Amino acid sequence: QVQMQESGPGLVKPSETLSLICTVSGGSFSSHYWSWIRQPPGKGLEWLGYVYYSGNTNYNPALRGRVTISIDTSKNQFSLKLRSVTAADTAVYYCAKDKGSSGWLFDYWGQGALVTVSS
Amino acid sequence: DIQMTQSPSSLSASVGDRVTISCQASEDISNSLNWYQQKPGQAPKPLIHDASNLETGVPSRFSGSGSGTDFTFTISSLQPEDVATYYCQQYENLPLTFGQGTKVEIK
Repeated sequence: QVQMQESGPGLVKPSETLSLICTVSGGSFSSHYWSWIRQPPGKGLEWLGYVYYSGNTNYNPALRGRVTISIDTSKNQFSLKLRSVTAADTAVYYCAKDKGSSGWLFDYWGQGALVTVSS
Repeated sequence: DIQMTQSPSSLSASVGDRVTISCQASEDISNSLNWYQQKPGQAPKPLIHDASNLETGVPSRFSGSGSGTDFTFTISSLQPEDVATYYCQQYENLPLTFGQGTKVEIK
């Protein structure tokens, strides 16, 4: 059974960089796509991007080049960095795993980490 | 980006009722659609992939149909534990996009 856990600061100042790590346990880290998805309070879901176990990435253009997702296979972790944050980036950030056998179905998720952008 | 529009945004129904949620894509996405259930304070849970295929362990009262631009999610007999927000998600093109969600409550 795969388990995923987000970690990182819960409060970030405007214009600074939001950094989160997702630690994965209980399953194979290889041959999967690892994504970050966020949900502003009371709102819907937004896919931010993915990193493949090989290190290849793809990002949502809506983030306007502010996002970097990287992977450390030796630690079974992948990370999110979102630069130049504003209040609009306040959200619950989820890490999620693509099932692999079905088209982009997120079958495992972390519990979510609330990140508030405020001075 | 492909826009996904769900309707209604919320609904209230009685236990045992049949509940239907619509999801419309801004362009043809074939059957590249998934459905998720999100209960308050929890991460989304996958229910249906490829528009109509039930995930393992998901009760058979849940079903999905459709292709192209118009999709339907159905709960055949609403149960108290089905209170949640339901999201569709397309994967025909990147970026992956979700509908805005449909909140289902018990009347």
